[in-house]
Amino acid sequence: EAGVTQSPTHLIKTRGQQATLRCSPISGHTSVYWYQQALGLGLQFLLWYDEGEERNRGNFPPRFSGRQFPNYSSELNVNALELEDSALYLCASSRTLNVNIQYFGAGTRLSVL
Amino acid sequence: QKEVEQNSGPLSVPEGAIASLNCTYSDRVSQSFFWYRQYSGKSPELIMSIYSNGDKEDGRFTAQLNKASQYVSLLIRDSQPSDSATYLCAVSNQAGTALIFGKGTTLSVSS
Repeated sequence: EAGVTQSPTHLIKTRGQQATLRCSPISGHTSVYWYQQALGLGLQFLLWYDEGEERNRGNFPPRFSGRQFPNYSSELNVNALELEDSALYLCASSRTLNVNIQYFGAGTRLSVL
Repeated sequence: QKEVEQNSGPLSVPEGAIASLNCTYSDRVSQSFFWYRQYSGKSPELIMSIYSNGDKEDGRFTAQLNKASQYVSLLIRDSQPSDSATYLCAVSNQAGTALIFGKGTTLSVSS
């Protein structure tokens, strides 16, 4: 069984650009979570999608947005990139509607120059 | 702002010793607690979950929960160099709609 897959592995952008990150959950999982792991700040919850709907959002500005597709894959978009957006973005998936056992992908390293 | 606090370490133990990792949380009504292990440059991996007061054992790992003290810990017996990693404590919020992670404790096991 394939795990959570994320693409791209690395992404380099400049300030003001937009970044799109992609995630495919484990087969059978309907919930997808996005986290930001910046140096020294730990894992910060960004967004949770389930059955195509945004279920919860962390304390991030609106330029962080996303969506979940009918096949449960998900996309995270970051608009108007700032230097401090440089971080590892991790996607996780789970089976149930509530926060439960989450399985993480390998992440996308976003560098904003 | 609900918080999860961990000592950042590094916690250094010799091979074969018991490593004790601690975590406190601020949301008194949290119900679900998790320990993740993250090797350098890798993604977090779930190693333990605990929902009730007391101890839960899985191989060399024991999770301990005390809801009255808002404290959860992870004991690693017979520590091995391969246990060297950052251990993240995670706590669910009241609604069960998000996991709140601590910043992690770095464990170093020397052979």
